[in-house]
Amino acid sequence: QSVLTQPPSVSGAPGQRVTISCTGSSSNIGAGYDVHWYQQLPGTAPKLLIYDNNNRPSGVPDRFSGSKSGTSASLAITGLLAEDEADYYCQSYDSSLSGYVFGTGTKVTVL
Amino acid sequence: QVQLVESGGGVVQPGRSLRLSCASSGFTFSSYGMRWVRQAPSKGLEWVAAISYDGSNEYYADSVKGRFTISRDNSKITLYLQMNSLRTEDTAVYYCTKVRSPAAIDYHYGMDVWGQGTTVTVSS
Repeated sequence: QSVLTQPPSVSGAPGQRVTISCTGSSSNIGAGYDVHWYQQLPGTAPKLLIYDNNNRPSGVPDRFSGSKSGTSASLAITGLLAEDEADYYCQSYDSSLSGYVFGTGTKVTVL
Repeated sequence: QVQLVESGGGVVQPGRSLRLSCASSGFTFSSYGMRWVRQAPSKGLEWVAAISYDGSNEYYADSVKGRFTISRDNSKITLYLQMNSLRTEDTAVYYCTKVRSPAAIDYHYGMDVWGQGTTVTVSS
């Protein structure tokens, strides 16, 4: 079972802003390990969307932004587009498990 | 361009073995740690195993420890996952991934390149 908790789903109208939370604990996010976000479009492999809490790889629109505070992190999508419909996962490292952990995943629906 | 291509998936009976391969191209394979991640049908992502850039260190999720072995051949620029004693719960798409930054200690880094995945089905 995942140790990082995300809301199962979020939705918004085109152009709106949505946020996805990722709640961890003192052995992962709270311990200072970086958080990364991945976008998985239907039927495709995941893609790195945000790395090291708040950095975008080349080619990722600045509509996507990340933040981290305490034992949680967040992904924000502004100016929501139909093409943003996908599953989103946060990921970090957990010192208690000595391994990498993913969030439970959030499905974003554009209304 | 940077690419990872998995192969070796298939249908296998419980208790049997399977070896996955991941061929790389477009980057200096021997400089980067690599990881396997899987996704069961209609489920989320689960980290499976990781290996350091030189193959000297291996790490496993508890769910596969003692059954799976990750390895690499830097001369063939290929990553492997040997899966023994397979269980029905190992049924998933297995993705080969590249760690974003070259470093001896890379657990801070995410995965910036993903293969297309190879499907493993464990069923009698």
